[in-house]
Amino acid sequence: NAGVTQTPKFQVLKTGQSMTLQCAQDMNHNSMYWYRQDPGMGLRLIYYSASEGTTDKGEVPNGYNVSRLNKREFSLRLESAAPSQTSVYFCAISGTASSGNTIYFGEGSWLTVV
Amino acid sequence: DAKTTQPPSMDCAEGRAANLPCNHSTISGNEYVYWYRQIHSQGPQYIIHGLKNNETNEMASLIITEDRKSSTLILPHATLRDTAVYYCIVRPRDAAGNKLTFGGGTRVLVKP
Repeated sequence: NAGVTQTPKFQVLKTGQSMTLQCAQDMNHNSMYWYRQDPGMGLRLIYYSASEGTTDKGEVPNGYNVSRLNKREFSLRLESAAPSQTSVYFCAISGTASSGNTIYFGEGSWLTVV
Repeated sequence: DAKTTQPPSMDCAEGRAANLPCNHSTISGNEYVYWYRQIHSQGPQYIIHGLKNNETNEMASLIITEDRKSSTLILPHATLRDTAVYYCIVRPRDAAGNKLTFGGGTRVLVKP
């Protein structure tokens, strides 16, 4: 998981509270992604950013907002958390063509909404 | 990105080769096949990728059929630490910025 840092690693929220998950990379890659993974399920894309200043919706964007603050940072915000948003959240970055377009993931952020 | 189909689960004996299939019948000419794995809630980890030739690295081998519509990831001597969910993805090599979606993957259980 080197190169992709997610904070916080663990968080418990009450329903209706807001919070922001932070993701930072030191690999100078253009593309960044946010996924969620529910227990026993696969990864589902929430939002992605092809480059600084651009963001696009993924498969499950409802209830989330994102900000690509600069090339290094991509944040995911829950404005009004719901129990259905209890999940593990992964940030990922996509390499350049010269690096084979390899995808690198962060270690994950465990979020529980009660 | 082209869609992939993988079996939901498979078991493998420790020390034996594990052969993980993936169908990608709609793959286009500029799309590579990538394999990742996820060990127990960690972030997914890159394993290998290829275009049309077979590839091998220290982790695994990738066999792609001549028509490129399917591939097989081979773990030559599976260990208990290879127990994980394995994801097969197809996408262009220069697809940085494209939507990147994962299927359900194959849950591999390596048994002693």
